[in-house]
Amino acid sequence: AQSVTQLGSHVSVSEGALVLLRCNYSSSVPPYLFWYVQYPNQGLQLLLKYTSAATLVKGINGFEAEFKKSETSFHLTKPSAHMSDAAEYFCAVSDMGAQKLVFGQGTRLTINP
Amino acid sequence: SAVISQKPSRDICQRGTSLTIQCQVDSQVTMMFWYRQQPGQSLTLIATANQGSEATYESGFVIDKFPISRPNLTFSTLTVSNMSPEDSSIYLCSVAGTDNQPQHFGDGTRLSIL
Repeated sequence: AQSVTQLGSHVSVSEGALVLLRCNYSSSVPPYLFWYVQYPNQGLQLLLKYTSAATLVKGINGFEAEFKKSETSFHLTKPSAHMSDAAEYFCAVSDMGAQKLVFGQGTRLTINP
Repeated sequence: SAVISQKPSRDICQRGTSLTIQCQVDSQVTMMFWYRQQPGQSLTLIATANQGSEATYESGFVIDKFPISRPNLTFSTLTVSNMSPEDSSIYLCSVAGTDNQPQHFGDGTRLSIL
């Protein structure tokens, strides 16, 4: 069975600083991996997806993630944080395309002015 | 991506009652799912809504408590039955155009049980 571990339930960075949100996965087959963002009182918005093409995936809002099979990781980064990036971020894995997503516990990102 | 509308957006209900949540999509989609997000927690898949047949439930979720309908490729409902305070959660609908496309989510229904 797949699983996802997000290291750090809360991450705080200064505006303009690098954002790094960590995600490690477990899957018995080549995984599909996703990052979603949830703003207050909203649903989830897809940031980016990895589906066995390029290992470096670029998403919306300047975010990107790198798939590292040897480390079973899919960390999310953004070079320069904006105040508008403050939200909850979820990493998710599936071994069947869009079906049966398993989510990590989420990381709350706070941006300090 | 598809536009997903969930109704109601929020509700406050009495224990022992039932509430039906609607999910409407502006285009035909193959896959529709229902998730629960308990306060301060991550998302847990309740079931996959299958068009024209019974939903496929995940471990820990049963049809008597969470009956689901999907009469066509653009609409589904989730009913939360005989509610108790433990059912207070955000319930989210998600869709995927095909089984190789990522899921997209509605804004959710915020449910509080008194």
